[in-house]
Amino acid sequence: QQQVKQSPQSLIVQKGGISIINCAYENTAFDYFPWYQQFPGKGPALLIAIRPDVSEKKEGRFTISFNKSAKQFSLHIMDSQPGDSATYFCAASMGGSQGNLIFGKGTKLSVKP
Amino acid sequence: EPEVTQTPSHQVTQMGQEVILRCVPISNHLYFYWYRQILGQKVEFLVSFYNNEISEKSEIFDDQFSVERPDGSNFTLKIRSTKLEDSAMYFCASTWAANIAGGYYEQYFGPGTRLTVT
Repeated sequence: QQQVKQSPQSLIVQKGGISIINCAYENTAFDYFPWYQQFPGKGPALLIAIRPDVSEKKEGRFTISFNKSAKQFSLHIMDSQPGDSATYFCAASMGGSQGNLIFGKGTKLSVKP
Repeated sequence: EPEVTQTPSHQVTQMGQEVILRCVPISNHLYFYWYRQILGQKVEFLVSFYNNEISEKSEIFDDQFSVERPDGSNFTLKIRSTKLEDSAMYFCASTWAANIAGGYYEQYFGPGTRLTVT
């Protein structure tokens, strides 16, 4: 299965709160899991990425948690800010591929001041 | 900071017409990609290109689509006979290396070309 399933579709969080977005996959050949952030009218931009040999990666306020056995990974945004309001896509790439990304359906995050 | 550029930003065309979408990848990148995003939906992989040939393509990338790197800087996507369902945002992306060597490199996306087929 080539799909990456993402939830929720939309998320509203108060400023300072924690935003959590979840993704799941079936294909164990996936071995690279990036998160992309997209603002309206812009292309996706890499936010943070993880390989399945680690269970967590943190960069500033953004953390990826990875559960290899459950085939799930999630993005946590700590101390969410209005400037974080964007659409977030999880993605996966398959080992041996040319790096083409398979994206989830996206989560529209709104952070209320 | 280097960036991927795309032209035009918006293209309106009539059904059945040919369109060419243009991209200038980051100069030292070797792998090039086209993705599309139908309004409100997920980003979908179309094709990857390396060493002047297609590396991989999705089911979406049928005979109506073609890609070309006509010179050392441009990377184009051609749709020969557009259909209404081709209306979407088309993103070009590039990266220095793909994951074949076991490493992963960020794909940089351009701002996209919005294609509207009427």
